[in-house]
Amino acid sequence: NAGVTQTPKFQVLKTGQSMTLQCAQDMNHNSMYWYRQDPGMGLRLIYYSASEGTTDKGEVPNGYNVSRLNKREFSLRLESAAPSQTSVYFCASRPPGGGQTQYFGPGTRLTVL
Amino acid sequence: SQQGEEDPQALSIQEGENATMNCSYKTSINNLQWYRQNSGRGLVHLILIRSNEREKHSGRLRVTLDTSKKSSSLLITASRAADTASYFCATGNSGGSNYKLTFGKGTLLTVNP
Repeated sequence: NAGVTQTPKFQVLKTGQSMTLQCAQDMNHNSMYWYRQDPGMGLRLIYYSASEGTTDKGEVPNGYNVSRLNKREFSLRLESAAPSQTSVYFCASRPPGGGQTQYFGPGTRLTVL
Repeated sequence: SQQGEEDPQALSIQEGENATMNCSYKTSINNLQWYRQNSGRGLVHLILIRSNEREKHSGRLRVTLDTSKKSSSLLITASRAADTASYFCATGNSGGSNYKLTFGKGTLLTVNP
């Protein structure tokens, strides 16, 4: 099992450009999450999906959209990137049946110029 | 907003010594978890303690939880250079399918050989 995979690993954008961060898990997990990590700030939840077909806002959703394409994939889209969105983005998933730990991908380092 | 706050922000010790990190949180919780993040990597789950538990062990890790003080501590005994990482506490709500984790800002542990 690959676990949680994220693409790309690194990305540089210019202000106003758009892009989609991809996340996939092969562990048959129901819930998936997108976080951003900024220096000295820990992880903050952007959006999450409790199950296929549902998405909900987290703590910092402004400027982002998400799509739960199927059970495996959960993508994060920046429609018009801003320098404030420079961050490291992590995707995570959680097992079904009440599992309470989360499994994280390796992250995408995004720089917006 | 951040639920947990780790203390200290940074800790530097010698190999073989014990490392203690503390976490305080604000609201009632279902469980509290500790995660490790090696530089440039995703987070890895270490240990979970439920709100009705007071202490838990896993190998060289010992976690305590005091719900009356809304605090937890993580003790790593006989530390090794490979323990060098950032450590985050995360509190879990009891939201069922809307279960979420809220992370603290982390403690950076450096274990010197």
